[in-house]
Parts: sequence; structure tokens; C-alpha cells
Amino acid sequence: DGGITQSPKYLFRKEGQNVTLSCEQNLNHDAMYWYRQDPGQGLRLIYYSQIVNDFQKGDIAEGYSVSREKKESFPLTVTSAQKNPTAFYLCASSIDAAYEQYFGPGTRLTVT
Amino acid sequence: AQSVSQHNHHVILSEAASLELGCNYSYGGTVNLFWYVQYPGQHLQLLLKYFSGDPLVKGIKGFEAEFIKSKFSFNLRKPSVQWSDTAEYFCAVLGGGSYIPTFGRGTSLIVHP
Repeated sequence: DGGITQSPKYLFRKEGQNVTLSCEQNLNHDAMYWYRQDPGQGLRLIYYSQIVNDFQKGDIAEGYSVSREKKESFPLTVTSAQKNPTAFYLCASSIDAAYEQYFGPGTRLTVT
Repeated sequence: AQSVSQHNHHVILSEAASLELGCNYSYGGTVNLFWYVQYPGQHLQLLLKYFSGDPLVKGIKGFEAEFIKSKFSFNLRKPSVQWSDTAEYFCAVLGGGSYIPTFGRGTSLIVHP
């Protein structure tokens, strides 16, 4: 059954700690994306990758980092430099950047 | 930069009412247009899309959308909503040479039984 998995579903961290959110897809998609979803603000793009070993900053990349060492995987690290990390994080992929995106179930991160 | 406006942030309807959610975008060239839906507790999923051809596109669950190029609009419609249509709806636009879609802020739809 093809799809996108994100783990964990809920994540709690103390302020000052880095945390890595997992995103895996078995759809053989080239493009992958990370979004942040806050109430009333829609989806804001953090990072995207159109191909393995390449990624670009989105609109709100400060305080985040990513890697794309494998086609299937696009982990997101929320660093201690991110001022307001508590949010719902969505990973997505598409067969090509011009086509529709498929979304994972999301990870809700709470930093206290 | 491309911008997408969803004018209705919150919509409350009774079952069997008709629905129209507005979506307007800023770029005047060739665009790919999408509506996504997020049901409570579920993944964001594609509702329908427009790339070219017939400007009236049909999606899942009886939804349809009409691309009106002159109005830069891609409004979502359903003639008769059901309680199960309660969800958040997002419009997204790809265009202007960018391969990154721009999402609207979303519309929260609540349908009362």
C-alpha cells in the first residue's frame, strides 16, 4: 500500500533541543516537501526537494534543516534556533513538481 | 510572487444547502489549479485539479470547480452538502514559472445535520 508515513504522530520536546521529524514515501516520487500548518495560516513551505541530494529553502526555512540522501526519505530537523516551533508539520511528495501533492498524516510538535 | 486568496475563512451550512467556496489567484499566465480537503483527523487529500481543457472539472464526492481565466478564479462548488463534508478546504495554484504551489489560507466548512 503506497503512501507517505510520518513519525511520530505527537512529539514533545524541551526548549533548546533539536528534534528530527521523519518522512518516508514509497510512491517513487521525485519531489518532496515540508510544510508547517498553523490555525488560520494555511500551509507554509519550509523546504522542498525536487531530486535526491538537492533541496531548496521555502518561505519559512529559518531554524529548520533538511537532508535528501535517499529518494524515499526527507527528514526535517527543527533546531533550537526556531523561535516558535510548536506546530503541526506536514510532509508531502509529488511525482513531479508540476503535479498534485500527496500528504502524510502529519506530526504535531510541542515544545515547552 | 503568486498569491492565493480564499475569501471565506469559516462557512457554516445545513445539510442539503449549496456550497461555493471562492479562490482567486494573482498570476495571469498558465496555471495548474488544485483543491485539497482535510477531513477531521485525516490526511490532506486532493479533491480535484485543473491543468488544461474543459474549465469545469469534477472531483470526488460530488464536488466540482470552474476555472474562469478572466477572473483569475477557481471556485469550488457542491449542489447539496452533507454532514460528512465538514472539513477544511485549501486552494492551491502552480504558475508563474514556479514549481512550488502557493496555498490559500483555507476555509473551514461545518455542515450541520
